[in-house]
Formats: sequence, structure tokens, C-alpha cells
Amino acid sequence: EVQLVESGGGLVQPGGSLRLSCAASGFTFNNYWMTWVRQAPGKGLEWVANIKRDGSQRHYVDSVEGRFTISRDSAKNSLYLQMNSLRAEDTAVYYCARDSSPLSGSGSYYDAFDMWGQGTMVTVSS
Amino acid sequence: AIQMTQSPSSLSASVGDRVTITCRASQGIRNDLGWYQQKPGKAPKLLIYAASSLQSGVPSRFSGSGSGTDFTLTISGLQPEDFATYYCLQDYNYPRTFGQGTKVEIK
Repeated sequence: EVQLVESGGGLVQPGGSLRLSCAASGFTFNNYWMTWVRQAPGKGLEWVANIKRDGSQRHYVDSVEGRFTISRDSAKNSLYLQMNSLRAEDTAVYYCARDSSPLSGSGSYYDAFDMWGQGTMVTVSS
Repeated sequence: AIQMTQSPSSLSASVGDRVTITCRASQGIRNDLGWYQQKPGKAPKLLIYAASSLQSGVPSRFSGSGSGTDFTLTISGLQPEDFATYYCLQDYNYPRTFGQGTKVEIK
């Protein structure tokens, strides 16, 4: 079955750390950019980070730069988000998403998050 | 970061209505824009990428248009399953940014 399954969420104290995982199955994981998107309770979507197919490029939203690290393991078909120095405002459902990266006419790629996991809840609270 | 502003924030419509949601970027983003649908408690679903390209499997009543700073998502003939929140997302540069969402409710 083609799917993404997140895990690793939970309750953590401010300043603590957590590592999220996203297990991919049913497709060639190495062929896709991967992305993390989060959603605070009752709020909208926020793009968090992405990583290139081979892991050679990573990008982050400013609010997590220096605290979060996105990575991937091709042997395990898995995506990760290491979250350090967590703050209350990091409380959210975290989704991993596959980017099908359709090619544009100019040779660049569009983002197209065509597959999503079910999400994992991270709560930062004392 | 590029700011994406959607309007309206919410709307009420009836089954069969034509619904239009707009998304405005704080600077030109060519056609580097996608639209996503999200239902309560569920992950988002891709509808449109590259401003107007319909994702495979998405009903043709959904369409997107626009370029530069102004974009539109149109639902032609609203169906019961279309009541949801819709988000635009710019992929012109980093960090990617979503609009704040438009909630489509039943009238």
C-alpha cells in the first residue's frame, strides 16, 4: 500500500527534544522531495521544512531554523524531524508529505504535495 | 517571507453554487501556487498545482487560475463533499507560505 505513517509525537516540556519519524511505503522513496507541515490546534497550515531526494538540500521556516533538523534514511525509507529547544508555540499536529515535483516548462519544479501522512501530535507544555 | 492572503476567510454556500476563493501574494510568484483542501481531523489534499494544473483524480469542477500576485480557486457546482477549508501555498521561494485558509460552510 502506498502510504506515509508518522510517529514519535507526544508531550514534552519546554526546552525538550523530540524526534518525529515518517515511514514511507509503496513507492520509491528516493525519487521524492519530502516535506513537514504542521498545524497548531484550531489554526491554519504552516510549512516547516523540506529535504531533497538525496538529502543534499534542506530548507526551513525561520521560526525553527537552528532548532529543528530534517533528515532522511533511504535504507529505511524514512523521513525524520529532530526537534530541539521546543517551545509552546511548536505545539501542533505534524504532517509529512511527499512532493511529486512536477516539472515546469522552464525546467524548474513545482511543489505538489500529493501524499500525506495522518499526522502526529506534538504538545509542548510543562 | 512572502505573505499569502486569502479571501474570504469563510463563506456560506449551497449545493450547486459556484464558489470562488482568491489568494493574493505580497509579491509576484509567477504561477508557483497550489491549492489544498482539508476536512476536519484529516490531512490536506492536493487539488491544484502550478496555479491551474488539476491534480490527478480531482474532480473537474475544481479549477485554478492566476499568475503573478492574484490567484483564484473556483468550484463549479459545489457538492456536499466539498464543504471544507481551502488553503493556497506559494512555492516560488523559501520559506514556503500558506494562506490563512477559507472555510466553506453549508448555507
